[in-house]
Amino acid sequence: ELKVEQNPLFLSMQEGKNYTIYCNYSTTSDRLYWYRQDPGKSLESLFVLLSNGAVKQEGRLMASLDTKARLSTLHITAAVHDLSATYFCAVAPGSNTDKLIFGTGTRLQVFP
Amino acid sequence: DVKVTQSSRYLVKRTGEKVFLECVQDMDHENMFWYRQDPGLGLRLIYFSYDVKMKEKGDIPEGYSVSREKKERFSLILESASTNQTSMYLCASGGTSGTGELFFGEGSRLTVL
Repeated sequence: ELKVEQNPLFLSMQEGKNYTIYCNYSTTSDRLYWYRQDPGKSLESLFVLLSNGAVKQEGRLMASLDTKARLSTLHITAAVHDLSATYFCAVAPGSNTDKLIFGTGTRLQVFP
Repeated sequence: DVKVTQSSRYLVKRTGEKVFLECVQDMDHENMFWYRQDPGLGLRLIYFSYDVKMKEKGDIPEGYSVSREKKERFSLILESASTNQTSMYLCASGGTSGTGELFFGEGSRLTVL
């Protein structure tokens, strides 16, 4: 059974600082997704990582995937308040399925 | 843009009532999903469907059923609501020919009294 773990679960950081959120998963997969959720809102797709070594960047966020280590990272550079949200990673458990298994989420709070 | 619409944003029901949550997508996606979101537990898959009239159990199907009579519509049914089904329910859809990315509706917050 595929398990997806994120850490930290909660992150409070000052504006301008850098930090990394980690997503570990327990079985082989070569597809990993990052989503953002604002309070009271639905999930918005941020990144789709489809191969080992994939790296995607959008603004102050950069995501990477290491399928051998079963690890993805979401790196935040020079955080700003607008990045405050909950971030989820999700993994597809097999190559012939489209269902996604989600981590528990990381709640990010950026303060001045 | 992909649009996934959930008919009810907020519902309050009593224990034992039958509850229907409706979801419609407009992108002709083959796959549709129902997830439940609870604090500290992330999103957990209840049921999913790869085609019309087809369904598969997810990780927590107990107490739920689903219906997919048309490709664009996927319904979640609580036959007899219980207080432990108070939660946020998220519908998602995705195509089979793309990246596997899922697109989510706004969510339905259900409270069972």
